[in-house]
Amino acid sequence: DGGITQSPKYLFRKEGQNVTLSCEQNLNHDAMYWYRQDPGQGLRLIYYSQIVNDFQKGDIAEGYSVSREKKESFPLTVTSAQKNPTAFYLCASSLDHSNQPQHFGDGTRLSIL
Amino acid sequence: GNSVTQMEGPVTLSEEAFLTINCTYTATGYPSLFWYVQYPGEGLQLLLKATKADDKGSNKGFEATYRKETTSFHLEKGSVQVSDSAVYFCALSVESSASKIIFGSGTRLSIRP
Repeated sequence: DGGITQSPKYLFRKEGQNVTLSCEQNLNHDAMYWYRQDPGQGLRLIYYSQIVNDFQKGDIAEGYSVSREKKESFPLTVTSAQKNPTAFYLCASSLDHSNQPQHFGDGTRLSIL
Repeated sequence: GNSVTQMEGPVTLSEEAFLTINCTYTATGYPSLFWYVQYPGEGLQLLLKATKADDKGSNKGFEATYRKETTSFHLEKGSVQVSDSAVYFCALSVESSASKIIFGSGTRLSIRP
């Protein structure tokens, strides 16, 4: 079955540590996205990528970094510069970047030790 | 700019009650409209969509009609079940707005047996 796989499901970060969240899709989608969701709130866009080797900042990119070396993969690194990283992180993909629905992974919950 | 406004929750109903969750939008161009559902601890799933004025999206007993004159896309279901308890997000995308889907803040729905 095609879909989006996020791992791990739960992740813990120590102070001053960078952590990387994995997102893999086998839907042959061009565009991929990372969102942050805080309790009781909607989704905020962190980064998105329309094609391989290209990505753009979303609304809350500070303290995060991404790469898009392969079409299937769009990992997100939460750096030590992100002072409030505790949240639920959602990865999504879409067929292309215009008017197409997005397909979501099951999310990664990041907490601070 | 583009934006989505949906009714604040939580919304609590008894089983078999009629459901309406209001959603209005502001957009330049001709948006596509979506409703997504998020069950606890999971990512978002596309529930239904409509791509042009007067289109009706439907799925699993839920319906929403794209009303250009009132810039609305209200979600309705005639008889809700306990299993419909989730958070519902209204969203739009505009072809001219590269790659972004704009999400509403979400409405939490709880159904009492």
